[in-house]
Amino acid sequence: KQEVTQIPAALSVPEGENLVLNCSFTDSAIYNLQWFRQDPGKGLTSLLLIQSSQREQTSGRLNASLDKSSGRSTLYIAASQPGDSATYLCAVARGTGNQFYFGTGTSLTVIP
Amino acid sequence: KAGVTQTPRYLIKTRGQQVTLSCSPISGHRSVSWYQQTPGQGLQFLFEYFSETQRNKGNFPGRFSGRQFSNSRSEMNVSTLELGDSALYLCASSLSTFNEQFFGPGTRLTVL
Repeated sequence: KQEVTQIPAALSVPEGENLVLNCSFTDSAIYNLQWFRQDPGKGLTSLLLIQSSQREQTSGRLNASLDKSSGRSTLYIAASQPGDSATYLCAVARGTGNQFYFGTGTSLTVIP
Repeated sequence: KAGVTQTPRYLIKTRGQQVTLSCSPISGHRSVSWYQQTPGQGLQFLFEYFSETQRNKGNFPGRFSGRQFSNSRSEMNVSTLELGDSALYLCASSLSTFNEQFFGPGTRLTVL
């Protein structure tokens, strides 16, 4: 069974700081990996999708990398803002279909 | 274009009752997945439907069932509700296999 771990569980940083969130998975036979953010009591917002053949994806201040061989992905957030405060979740897909295995998330607080 | 919609947004039921949740995917998306989110277990995959066929199923009891209609709208049913079924139920839609997944706002189910 695929296990997905996210470290740290919580992170508090001052505004403007660059930061890295980590995601590790036990089975490297994945098809893709997707990063989401979740605001309290809300659904998930897609941030970046990395296909298994890709090494990284970028969107604005976000950059996600994927290293299948080591079972790791990182989400880099540049110049953090208070609006970035949310829980960040990574999810990996394997097998047939769109079954995602989710990590437990990193709760990010950006202090003004 | 319109995002994923879920109805109702909130539900309160009592033990032993049954409940039906609805999900309308993004137009053109053929895959609909359902997830249960609880503070203790995080996000867990329930099942996925693709072109009206269940393609994947998570490790949940048979009280949890679903279906998909020809217009890709999906319903999830939980029979004989238990207190532990209280959760946020999230629906995700995707164009096809291994494409980006988009989540709805969720249905908050409370079982008393």
